[in-house]
Amino acid sequence: DAMVIQNPRYQVTQFGKPVTLSCSQTLNHNVMYWYQQKSSQAPKLLFHYYDKDFNNEADTPDNFQSRRPNTSFCFLDIRSPGLGDAAMYLCATSRHRVSGTRGNTEAFFGQGTRLTVV
Amino acid sequence: KNEVEQSPQNLTAQEGEFITINCSYSVGISALHWLQQHPGGGIVSLFMLSSGKKKHGRLIATINIQEKHSSLHITASHPRDSAVYICAVRSGSGGGADGLTFGKGTHLIIQP
Repeated sequence: DAMVIQNPRYQVTQFGKPVTLSCSQTLNHNVMYWYQQKSSQAPKLLFHYYDKDFNNEADTPDNFQSRRPNTSFCFLDIRSPGLGDAAMYLCATSRHRVSGTRGNTEAFFGQGTRLTVV
Repeated sequence: KNEVEQSPQNLTAQEGEFITINCSYSVGISALHWLQQHPGGGIVSLFMLSSGKKKHGRLIATINIQEKHSSLHITASHPRDSAVYICAVRSGSGGGADGLTFGKGTHLIIQP
């Protein structure tokens, strides 16, 4: 059974038209990540939520926003998609305990959403 | 910032061959992940290592913390093993939730 689910698998949007990608998890993990993977490149972290705390990477464009209304769901909003934002967007989750303990878990990834901008 | 290098970038082998993929990183880490990505994009976590060696079926992963190096081995390779194998590291102390830094991946093709 899928534990990290991304919807939709494929998304086509128009240049400049806001688009939202969805990620849900059944693992009750406290950390959720969004990665962007462009063709033939390594995935790149955009931001992550540690519980309700949002952590943005320094080089993530302002065009990208995220929401996490509850533990299970996390959304990636692209306010004005450009042609350069066409990519695979990967959601991942993991569980972390407080600093000082062995808290890391494996990362669980969704199937990804492939975004096309026309 | 951690730099993650993988080798080789591309590997084609015959069914049954023993496969080794290498990964090196530049800064101390709390964990190293080996991931598998098939065409279509989905990523599956194969191993998470912080020391030593792990084995799962025909896959073996090792890590040498002092040398900042890890290897992924596939024994008795099969065409269904064809995929991109990605090394990714989590930097910093064990309790951090920082995202992963990925290598560029090794594109493996196993021919029947």
